[in-house]
Amino acid sequence: GAVVSQHPSRVICKSGTSVKIECRSLDFQATTMFWYRQFPKQSLMLMATSNEGSKATYEQGVEKDKFLINHASLTLSTLTVTSAHPEDSSFYICSARGAAGNTIYFGEGSWLTVV
Amino acid sequence: LAKTTQPISMDSYEGQEVNITCSHNNIATNDYITWYQQFPSQGPRFIIQGYKTKVTNEVASLFIPADRKSSTLSLPRVSLSDTAVYYCLVGGHGGATNKLIFGTGTLLAVQP
Repeated sequence: GAVVSQHPSRVICKSGTSVKIECRSLDFQATTMFWYRQFPKQSLMLMATSNEGSKATYEQGVEKDKFLINHASLTLSTLTVTSAHPEDSSFYICSARGAAGNTIYFGEGSWLTVV
Repeated sequence: LAKTTQPISMDSYEGQEVNITCSHNNIATNDYITWYQQFPSQGPRFIIQGYKTKVTNEVASLFIPADRKSSTLSLPRVSLSDTAVYYCLVGGHGGATNKLIFGTGTLLAVQP
């Protein structure tokens, strides 16, 4: 199946700083990518839908100025957590729609710890 | 609001067949049904996808009745390594319902 890669897999940052997570579709072009957040022992929560060349669509309750999403190319979307706080510590997962359009593939996830 | 309902957890033993059923009463005409497996600290892994009737691949089978209001994931002869959370999702195609909303998933625990 299609491959989606995230980087970094783990990151620790200081409170008040910003951190960027990259999501790449390695063997296909993805016009749409999705960002999720998952807390321990909970399900994935959709944060936003990222469309190449346009602004992201955020889910209700997700602060767009705090979680900046950029989808500048067909193979790369980035999530920047700005002014991170300890409560932003979580597992962030991206996904991308495959070329056929019916299947969505997920990245390996990125653990963010804010200290 | 999640569009699917699954059992929270299931227990099984090695070598048994496991069937996990998911309800999706409000499935749209264009929605596909997709199942994912997730291990701790990993992203969900695609297992199988279908639209109607039965689909089979090298790891699982997916049974979808004619009304498409439910689906059953069948895992033949499970092993300890199949212990994971299994998610059933509907939608995700390139149309109006193009995003996947996760429900609670089913935690499958396989014992020796």
